[in-house]
Amino acid sequence: GNSVTQMEGPVTLSEEAFLTINCTYTATGYPSLFWYVQYPGEGLQLLLKATKADDKGSNKGFEATYRKETTSFHLEKGSVQVSDSAVYFCALSGGSGSARQLTFGSGTQLTVLP
Amino acid sequence: DAGVTQSPTHLIKTRGQQVTLRCSPKSGHDTVSWYQQALGQGPQFIFQYYEEEERQRGNFPDRFSGHQFPNYSSELNVNALLLGDSALYLCASSLASAGTSYNSPLHFGNGTRLTVT
Repeated sequence: GNSVTQMEGPVTLSEEAFLTINCTYTATGYPSLFWYVQYPGEGLQLLLKATKADDKGSNKGFEATYRKETTSFHLEKGSVQVSDSAVYFCALSGGSGSARQLTFGSGTQLTVLP
Repeated sequence: DAGVTQSPTHLIKTRGQQVTLRCSPKSGHDTVSWYQQALGQGPQFIFQYYEEEERQRGNFPDRFSGHQFPNYSSELNVNALLLGDSALYLCASSLASAGTSYNSPLHFGNGTRLTVT
């Protein structure tokens, strides 16, 4: 079945530092890939998505590229802000599972210090 | 435009009791999914409701059941609560006609924090 593996956290960075959160997946076929963000006390919000190989999803300065050859979807941001502090989840749908449900990684806690 | 709303926000129950959680989907959405998020973990899919029927189910026991009403709102019921049921329960809505999670990404509520003692 489908599975998602994220780099373990927590990750602590200084403001304006470069961010990378690694995500790899296991799935047959061509799953769709997502990054969701969860701010303290809130539900998950979609950050970005990609549906086929070499697609790049981007939003709010964050980017991730769907790499079929390495089964990866790493999240990057060139200059993080304190307001980016949150938990980030990599997820997929489709592949060997349903296209209507999400399989999530375990999340990566990001703390950005001023 | 109201997003996904869940009630209650917090709940404390005793082992063996039963609990009902409620969800109203985002305006215009007709499909409701429920996820369980244990502390420090990613959400796990419980089930999905569309047209008042359970359309898909994850790897959860029959103690977990649900219902969807004609106005698309939904309930999650858990019977015979165990300590391990303590978690954040998330409701997410989407639009069935869009097909996949890519075309109609899930919109999540803020969740109900269930504590079983």
